[in-house]
Amino acid sequence: DTAVSQTPKYLVTQMGNDKSIKCEQNLGHDTMYWYKQDSKKFLKIMFSYNNKELIINETVPNRFSPKSPDKAHLNLHINSLELGDSAVYFCASSLGLSDTEAFFGQGTRLTVV
Amino acid sequence: AQSVAQPEDQVNVAEGNPLTVKCTYSVSGNPYLFWYVQYPNRGLQFLLKYITGDNLVKGSYGFEAEFNKSQTSFHLKKPSALVSDSALYFCAVRDIVYNFNKFYFGSGTKLNVKP
Repeated sequence: DTAVSQTPKYLVTQMGNDKSIKCEQNLGHDTMYWYKQDSKKFLKIMFSYNNKELIINETVPNRFSPKSPDKAHLNLHINSLELGDSAVYFCASSLGLSDTEAFFGQGTRLTVV
Repeated sequence: AQSVAQPEDQVNVAEGNPLTVKCTYSVSGNPYLFWYVQYPNRGLQFLLKYITGDNLVKGSYGFEAEFNKSQTSFHLKKPSALVSDSALYFCAVRDIVYNFNKFYFGSGTKLNVKP
């Protein structure tokens, strides 16, 4: 069983479209994240949710809207896609107030053409 | 602010030789430090962590890391490198002072192990 799973794995779309990436974790964690990895492999946190509540929003454009229907799911919806949104997006989860590590999904490679 | 730095973009080592991937940190309070590995087209996999206790931490796949408080470093090591260790390695710190829900990652170090 995959601990953190995200779909789709690859996403190619045109500029201006709206798309969603889904993430689910079966680890019982209470905190979930979205990270963006750019072409230079740099990882930057975008959002963090704890028990379905938004905890971190790292100056991400309003076109990006996370939604957490329950603490096992954190989806990312992106409106009006731009070329610069092309990247690999990683979902992750962890226990909130603890010394444990974060577990990562396999990533979604988004290509905007 | 909490941060980690990986001064080397790339490390090259011959198979069978020891390897070191460097990481330095800057944190307020005691650091929670982590190493992750990323293989091509894959997610990040946890290798090991330092929370407290023994400065030498052992992890997966024969990797270990040494926490050095005076040098604010957490270098990743392996006594004998394998070609299959070739991957991208990330050092990370968890912010336990300002926001427990934040992990800061270094810029990554590409490890090339040549046969």
